[in-house]
Amino acid sequence: DTGVSQDPRHKITKRGQNVTFRCDPISEHNRLYWYRQTLGQGPEFLTYFQNEAQLEKSRLLSDRFSAERPKGSFSTLEIQRTEQGDSAMYLCASSDPTGTKTQYFGPGTRLLVL
Amino acid sequence: DAKTTQPPSMDCAEGRAANLPCNHSTISGNEYVYWYRQIHSQGPQYIIHGLKNNETNEMASLIITEDRKSSTLILPHATLRDTAVYYCIVMRMDSSYKLIFGSGTRLLVRP
Repeated sequence: DTGVSQDPRHKITKRGQNVTFRCDPISEHNRLYWYRQTLGQGPEFLTYFQNEAQLEKSRLLSDRFSAERPKGSFSTLEIQRTEQGDSAMYLCASSDPTGTKTQYFGPGTRLLVL
Repeated sequence: DAKTTQPPSMDCAEGRAANLPCNHSTISGNEYVYWYRQIHSQGPQYIIHGLKNNETNEMASLIITEDRKSSTLILPHATLRDTAVYYCIVMRMDSSYKLIFGSGTRLLVRP
């Protein structure tokens, strides 16, 4: 399977704990995006990378959130001191560098903060 | 970013065509119309996109009006597996190409 992969698929944690999610994009896709989706809502943009550079961050990305893409391949999204309001589906997408940059999404990581 | 308006829900019979409308009356000349769908608990799936001309691929057809203020996604022979939330998105060709999702249309395909 050469699609976008995310790990883990599900995560349950207690409030105050740190969590880290991983996204592996489609190979040769130089752009990588993170979105968050709460129940009943459409996905919301969080941040994106072009190669290893983080070029835009949404206001939704509080200082407890940090994302990295150290070698321009996989990316990690870390949430520190989780809160119940962080419970959501975290989606990763990647796009190729040509044409209209169509984004392809992974299956998501569902986070539940107790 | 141009705003889109979609009906919150629709239904159609299995085997019939599903026609999903989208209004984007404030669309700009350099903005594309994208359609994604999301089956329950999965990531969004790309369907099709277009700028001015009608487009067709193996999944669907996209009809864009001449003034580009609205479009229709057509699933020619809907199956039960097409039951999903369908999102119409207008994407600006700026530096980020980020997607701004609305609430979408929940399509129910009836047996």
